[in-house]
Amino acid sequence: QSVLTQPPSVSAAPGQKVTISCSGSSSNIGNNYVSWYQQLPGTAPKLLIYDNNKRPSGIPDRFSGSKSGTSATLGITGLQTGDEADYYCGTWDSSLSLFGGGTKLTVL
Amino acid sequence: EVQLVESGGGLVQPGGSLRLSCAASGFTFSSYWMSWVRQAPGKGLEWVANIKQDGSEKYYVDSVKGRFTISRDNAKNSLYLQMNSLRAEDTAVYYCAHLEWLLFGSPYFDYWGQGTLVTVSS
Repeated sequence: QSVLTQPPSVSAAPGQKVTISCSGSSSNIGNNYVSWYQQLPGTAPKLLIYDNNKRPSGIPDRFSGSKSGTSATLGITGLQTGDEADYYCGTWDSSLSLFGGGTKLTVL
Repeated sequence: EVQLVESGGGLVQPGGSLRLSCAASGFTFSSYWMSWVRQAPGKGLEWVANIKQDGSEKYYVDSVKGRFTISRDNAKNSLYLQMNSLRAEDTAVYYCAHLEWLLFGSPYFDYWGQGTLVTVSS
């Protein structure tokens, strides 16, 4: 059971928009920045978003992040079949790193 | 180009030990926190341990405290994870990760290795 709660799965059609939520508490998300990771099947995780809403170089602006209080959200617009992956939120709590349980995105 | 290459995984019996290594290149290794993250088969990511640039601070997930030790050799640009008293539930792919920590921000993992599989079974 992860301290950060994500929906197990979400789905949407190609071209549509999807959001993935990540719920925490005041000691983790509430007082720290959130990052998001994409893990394509059989590969290592990849950083998508850091500091709540910043994208590393090379990450398309179809991916966005936001945070409000003790929750964070990853948004993906213009869905593509290549976006099918597991997505994880991450943050910090008293010198310890945390991950959400992960959300499987299916592009129908 | 940042590269992190793990090695040392394999099959080990319950109660046994294993030492993982991570060879880093493409950045100034001694200037960054480093981490180990694991993923059990079919499960999500689980952070395991972090180590400060000079090794003076180390943090662990509760489930490995007292059994695992993270360490580093800055002269060799290498990160290690000594795993003792291994249990079946330690079976996972273990990733070495570069921990970025910008001023006024929170730490995040911006580079990952390809992972090394550890299987604990009799």
